[in-house]
Amino acid sequence: EVVLTQSPATLSLSPGERATLSCRASQSVSSYLAWYQHKPGQAPRLLIYDASTRATGIPARFSGSGSGTDFTLTISSLEAEDFAVYYCQQRGNWPRTFGHGTKVEIK
Amino acid sequence: EVQLVESGGGLVQPGGSLRLSCSTSRFTFGDYIMAWFRQAPGKGLEWVGFIRSKADGGAPEYAASVKGRFTMSRDDFKGIAYLQMDSLEAEDTAVYYCARDIRPRTYYYYYLDVWGRGTTVTVSS
Repeated sequence: EVVLTQSPATLSLSPGERATLSCRASQSVSSYLAWYQHKPGQAPRLLIYDASTRATGIPARFSGSGSGTDFTLTISSLEAEDFAVYYCQQRGNWPRTFGHGTKVEIK
Repeated sequence: EVQLVESGGGLVQPGGSLRLSCSTSRFTFGDYIMAWFRQAPGKGLEWVGFIRSKADGGAPEYAASVKGRFTMSRDDFKGIAYLQMDSLEAEDTAVYYCARDIRPRTYYYYYLDVWGRGTTVTVSS
């Protein structure tokens, strides 16, 4: 099973700042990695898939990069609605696995 | 807009059963893998299982933690996916989400591009 390790566990930032989230896989998943945003009481939302492709309707301030074992989600300038928990998920191997999440909180 | 709506959650005693439903709209339901996830209090997302399209055999796959206790099914005519949960344990307490695979006719899901808001299951005496 591929273990996805997300860091940091919590990121404290102010609106307008840049957020950089990391997801490291225990073995290569090629470019088969997605990022999701999840807010309390809401449906999780697919942001990025295949490492760098934005899902439908996702703003351009969200970008993804990486391949193999190291991946990054960048939010170029945080807006109020971006404070949430972010998960990575791989589809390079079965079973699919999720990271434990990074909480982006308001500083 | 494609939507998923879960229902059927509630309070149940250990050893009891519940059936969750996931109702869909505005897409060709039968072509897609439908998956279930859960989030226990204070924890991250955990995959529970998924069911393939009937065209791909309709077979389900389950996480080890629920195999033998949970059963998935689907009614493509009604556009509803079901999660039958038996022999419930306190550790099954969570918000349960259904989700759709991003692509139709896959054998193992790729990514999940549509999710419901979840339904809460509490297992307690």
